[in-house]
Amino acid sequence: AQTVTQSQPEMSVQEAETVTLSCTYDTSESNYYLFWYKQPPSRQMILVIRQEAYKQQNATENRFSVNFQKAAKSFSLKISDSQLGDTAMYFCAFMNPHDNNDMRFGAGTRLTVKP
Amino acid sequence: DVKVTQSSRYLVKRTGEKVFLECVQDMDHENMFWYRQDPGLGLRLIYFSYDVKMKEKGDIPEGYSVSREKKERFSLILESASTNQTSMYLCASSFAGRGTNEKLFFGSGTQLSVL
Repeated sequence: AQTVTQSQPEMSVQEAETVTLSCTYDTSESNYYLFWYKQPPSRQMILVIRQEAYKQQNATENRFSVNFQKAAKSFSLKISDSQLGDTAMYFCAFMNPHDNNDMRFGAGTRLTVKP
Repeated sequence: DVKVTQSSRYLVKRTGEKVFLECVQDMDHENMFWYRQDPGLGLRLIYFSYDVKMKEKGDIPEGYSVSREKKERFSLILESASTNQTSMYLCASSFAGRGTNEKLFFGSGTQLSVL
């Protein structure tokens, strides 16, 4: 079974600065999908960014980008120009498309953006 | 926009009660999931369903059952609630198959307290 590890339970960053959240995973699959989800205090899970394992190019969505290292099974999220609204729990997730799109999550990182 | 609706935001039940958590999605998704979210553990899969009347156990199915009589509705049932089932419950849905922009759409969660 796939496992996802987020080694940073909590992090903080000053507004306008850059922060990187780490994630590692374990799988024997060669094709899969990786995600970062954000959960603000409203509890609504919001998709931040998605990476397809067969694509070497790192995904980018505005201020959010990933560093995908397939051989190292690492998938970190970089948030540039941090904003107060980025304060949330961030979950890294792995999806195996050969297994009914079963998605597995890490334990989460609580990010606080300080003014 | 895809909408996944969970019937209750907060729920308080007594030990031994039978509890129903309801989830409805409006995008004709084949797959539906129930997760449990606990601090430090992330989201753990309880059950999922890839079609009407079909169900598969996730990682922590003990003490839970599910029902999917209609495509849009997926119910989680606690036959006899116990205090260790106090948690946040998240429902999610997705399209089936590959190459369909795989991702999960989440409800807003139900915070269940069992006293």
